[in-house]
Amino acid sequence: EVQLVESGGGLVQPGGSLRLSCAASGFTFSSFWMTWVRQAPGKELEWVANIKQDGGEKYYVDSVKGRFTISRDNAENSLYLQMDSLRAEDTAIYYCATGATAAKWGQGTLVTVSS
Amino acid sequence: DIQMTQSPSSLSASVGDRVTITCRASQGIRNDLGWYQQKPGKAPKRLIYSASSLQSGVPSRFSGSGSGTEFTLTISSLQPEDFATYYCLQHNTYPCTFGQGTKLDIK
Repeated sequence: EVQLVESGGGLVQPGGSLRLSCAASGFTFSSFWMTWVRQAPGKELEWVANIKQDGGEKYYVDSVKGRFTISRDNAENSLYLQMDSLRAEDTAIYYCATGATAAKWGQGTLVTVSS
Repeated sequence: DIQMTQSPSSLSASVGDRVTITCRASQGIRNDLGWYQQKPGKAPKRLIYSASSLQSGVPSRFSGSGSGTEFTLTISSLQPEDFATYYCLQHNTYPCTFGQGTKLDIK
C-alpha cells in the first residue's frame, strides 16, 4: 500500500526557512515523478512543484520560483521541499503526491508563516 | 498559465440525485485532466485520471468525460459519503493548475 508521510512543518517568521520532507513507502519511489501541492486555510488547492524520477527536471509555480527548491533522495525514498524567504502567503498545508498527475497523497504538514 | 474554471462553485443536492460538475480550460489540454474529492480535514483523493478513467477502488457512480477544453465529472446517484469538495487538475502544461473547487452539500 502506498504511504506518504510529510513532516517538517511548523511556525516560522517571515523571511525564514523550512525544509519539508515526505517519506515514501509501498511503491518503487525511484520510478515515479513526485509532486508538492499546498492549500491555504479555507482556500483551493495550488500545485507547487514537481520533480522527475532522477531529479533531472523540476518545475515550479511562478509564486515560489527562486525561493523554493524541490529535491529527492531515491536511496532514502524521500522527497523534499526547501522553502526560503517565506512569506505570509505561503501559509498552507503542504501535501506530497505520487506521479506528475498527483495520484496518491499524504496527509499533509502545516506551515504557518507569521511574526 | 492555463486557467481552469469550475462550475458551479457550490451545489446543493439530495441523496439519489444525478450531479454534474464542469471544468473549462483556457486552452486545449487534450485529456490531461484529473478529478479529486476532498472531505473536510482530509487530503484530496483522486477519482478520475486522463479525463475519463476511473481510479481503482472508486465507485462506478463516478464518471468523467471530455477532451480539449471542456470536461465533466458526473455522479450518477449521490450517496451520503459523496458530500465533499471536488477539484479538477490539468497537467498538460506547466505550471499545472487546479480549478477553484465545487462544494457539494446536502439540500
